[in-house]
Amino acid sequence: QVQLVQSGTEMKKPGSSVKVSCKASGGTFSSSVFSWVRQAPGQGLEWMGRIIPMFGTANYAHKFQGRVTISTDESTSTVYMELNRLRSEDTAVYYCARDRGVVVEAAPPGWFDPWGQGTLVTVSS
Amino acid sequence: EIVMTQSPATLSVSPGERASLSCRASQSVSSDLAWYQQKPGQAPRLLIYAASTRATGIPARFSGSGSGTEFTLTFNSLQSEDFAVYYCQQYNHWPGTFGGGTKVEIK
Repeated sequence: QVQLVQSGTEMKKPGSSVKVSCKASGGTFSSSVFSWVRQAPGQGLEWMGRIIPMFGTANYAHKFQGRVTISTDESTSTVYMELNRLRSEDTAVYYCARDRGVVVEAAPPGWFDPWGQGTLVTVSS
Repeated sequence: EIVMTQSPATLSVSPGERASLSCRASQSVSSDLAWYQQKPGQAPRLLIYAASTRATGIPARFSGSGSGTEFTLTFNSLQSEDFAVYYCQQYNHWPGTFGGGTKVEIK
């Protein structure tokens, strides 16, 4: 049973960057797929991108292309999401999730199960 | 990008009642649809995938149906722990999009 544990709350200034981690346990990390989904306060869910550790390449939603980087460290079974040039609209809870879509590069995400507990990122001057 | 529309935005239901939520896709997503439950301060939890397959550990009172553009999540006899926000998500087309959610509240 895969479990995902994320890093803690972050407070950032506009224009800065944030890097959130997500440590996986209980599954086969390299052959899994992981996605990041965010949720602004009181809002719905928004998919950001996914990565297949075995291939090492990530795919991103167009909205975040050029501003987000998803990476992995197989030695620690950890997935990272770095978001640059932060603005106030990036204030949200960021979730990592195991992506149950096909293990094919550039494929769309599948359904998500399980999810990490979420990391609140607040962007404010 | 496929737009997922959920209705109603809020559903008021008494415990023990049956209820249904709707999710409509702007174009066909076949049966590539999932449902999630989210309680305040918690991460979403997968309920249903492939439109009608219950995830591991999900009670039989939850059921999903539909295909193409019209989908339904049905609760048989709502329990107190079922009051939450429910989201649908399509994963047939890039980039995989969520509906805006339906809040199920106690009547």
